[in-house]
Order: sequence, then C-alpha cells, then structure tokens
Amino acid sequence: AQSVTQLGSHVSVSEGALVLLRCNYSSSVPPYLFWYVQYPNQGLQLLLKYTSAATLVKGINGFEAEFKKSETSFHLTKPSAHMSDAAEYFCAVRMDTGRRALTFGSGTRLQVQP
Amino acid sequence: EAQVTQNPRYLITVTGKKLTVTCSQNMNHEYMSWYRQDPGLGLRQIYYSMNVEVTDKGDVPEGYKVSRKEKRNFPLILESPSPNQTSLYFCASSSTGVTSTDTQYFGPGTRLTVL
Repeated sequence: AQSVTQLGSHVSVSEGALVLLRCNYSSSVPPYLFWYVQYPNQGLQLLLKYTSAATLVKGINGFEAEFKKSETSFHLTKPSAHMSDAAEYFCAVRMDTGRRALTFGSGTRLQVQP
Repeated sequence: EAQVTQNPRYLITVTGKKLTVTCSQNMNHEYMSWYRQDPGLGLRQIYYSMNVEVTDKGDVPEGYKVSRKEKRNFPLILESPSPNQTSLYFCASSSTGVTSTDTQYFGPGTRLTVL
C-alpha cells in the first residue's frame, strides 16, 4: 500500500526566506508524485509532478521539488517566500494502477510573515 | 476556460434528507473522481469513474452513490446523509491518455454540513 507523510502541519517563514515543506512516501513500486496547493476557499491546483524523468522538478510560482529515491522523499522548496505563497500544500502519490487514485498527505499550512 | 464545476458550493442539510452534489467538466476527460477532505486526513477518494457507465468504489464509499450517464457529469448522491458525512467534497477529472500520469483537475469544492 502507498502512503504519504508530510512533516509539520504548520510551517511559518518570513517573507524572502527559504520555504521547505517535507514529504516522504512509501510505495512498493516507483510512484508518481505530486504537490498541490490549496488557497483559502478554493480547490486544489497542481504545483508540480514527478513522472520518473528528471529528479529535480520545477513547478509554477518558483517552486521546485527533488525526488530522492534513497530517502523516499519529495520535498518542496522555494528560495524566497512571498506573501502570496500562504496556503495549504498537499503532497500526493499515485500508483500506476487503473484506479488512478491520489493518496494525499495530511497537508502543511504555510504562513508567511511580513 | 477549462474547468471543473461543482454545485452547490455550500450546503447545510439535516440527517436523512437525500441530496445530490453535481460535478461537471468541460475538458472531455474520461476519468472523474470524488474526494472528501477532513482536517488532518488529507483527501480520500470516495468513488471514481473511468468512463461513461463505468464506476467503482474508492477508499471511503460507504453512504455514497454515483452515476456516470454522460461523459461530462459525475454527480455524488447521499441517499440518507448522516453527521459523519459533514466534510469538504472535491470532484476531479483527468484524461486517460497513453501517459498514466495525467494531471487531475479539481473543482472548487462543496462544503457540506449535516445536522
């Protein structure tokens, strides 16, 4: 069975500081990994996805994530936080099966302090 | 504009009163799915559909029904809602092309409260 663990339900950074949101997965086969962002009262928007091509994946809004198989991690980073980055972030994994279900982590709420 | 729409966005109802949450997508996607989001649990899949007239259970299907009579629509039906179905519900869709990593596009969500 696959699962996703996001360390830290709340992360607070100062504007301009590095953003690091942690995600570890467990999967018996090479997974497909995703990061989604949810702004208040909105649906989920895809930030980036890993599909077994390059291990460093660049997404929208300056975010990127690195797939590390040895650490079973897919941490999300952004060099310099902006106030508009305040949102909830979800890491998700999908096996290559017919069900195509995404297994989500419990989410990390990012606060950006001025 | 490519989008997934859900209606209603907010709903307060009482135990046992049947309700339907509609979901529609304009991207000609074959695959559609319903998730519920609860604090601390992330999103969990309720039901999914690979194409018209093809539906199957997800991780938490109890108390829910779905139908897929048209490609664009995938309504979620609660025949007899109970308070433990109070949640935030998301519909999602994606294509099922040759690449199996097709992005799932999410609707804006429906916040349901069952009293």
